[in-house]
Amino acid sequence: DTEVTQTPKHLVMGMTNKKSLKCEQHMGHRAMYWYKQKAKKPPELMFVYSYEKLSINESVPSRFSPECPNSSLLNLHLHALQPEDSALYLCASSQERAGTTDTQYFGPGTRLTVL
Amino acid sequence: EDKVVQSPLSLVVHEGDTVTLNCSYEVTNFRSLLWYKQEKKAPTFLFMLTSSGIEKKSGRLSSILDKKELFSILNITATQTGDSAVYLCAYSGGSNYKLTFGKGTLLTVNP
Repeated sequence: DTEVTQTPKHLVMGMTNKKSLKCEQHMGHRAMYWYKQKAKKPPELMFVYSYEKLSINESVPSRFSPECPNSSLLNLHLHALQPEDSALYLCASSQERAGTTDTQYFGPGTRLTVL
Repeated sequence: EDKVVQSPLSLVVHEGDTVTLNCSYEVTNFRSLLWYKQEKKAPTFLFMLTSSGIEKKSGRLSSILDKKELFSILNITATQTGDSAVYLCAYSGGSNYKLTFGKGTLLTVNP
């Protein structure tokens, strides 16, 4: 099973709203990622969690707040977003053990629109 | 700065054609190179390459890595309309597991 699930599939929010994106995997992976993808562009890394600790923050604005409650779950809390934050938000996971694969498995994404 | 360059950026072919997609990279601490296929939503994993000269195959798709010349190719034989997608190349390196993607190749297969 190489499934990563994300909810919701679509989200429309205003600039004053607070919302959360959720990601879940049951592959026993210990690394989880958030990517942002704009139309016709490749995914851009936002955050990496390794063993439930934040290991990479790619200088993401503080209006995006990640959280990893346990090894299977990853959240992205959104507050006071701007219209330019509208994008496809992808979650991914990988095993992250020495000598094993770097393969990241992606979820289906959340299509976010900020009005 | 590390980078990944894919070519061509777009390609239109007819069903049954064979295509070759290219990915060159300039990276430090290279560990692996990955290929993904992206249709409307999530990128789906195709191949991971770590060693030069070893071809990986899956059905009509195959890929190979040349670590000396710093490139990889993805071949698709007997293309079908379902192969239409963006094909992304990404490298992984260094002490973390960050993937850096190229801009992708948009492949359109016409009937």
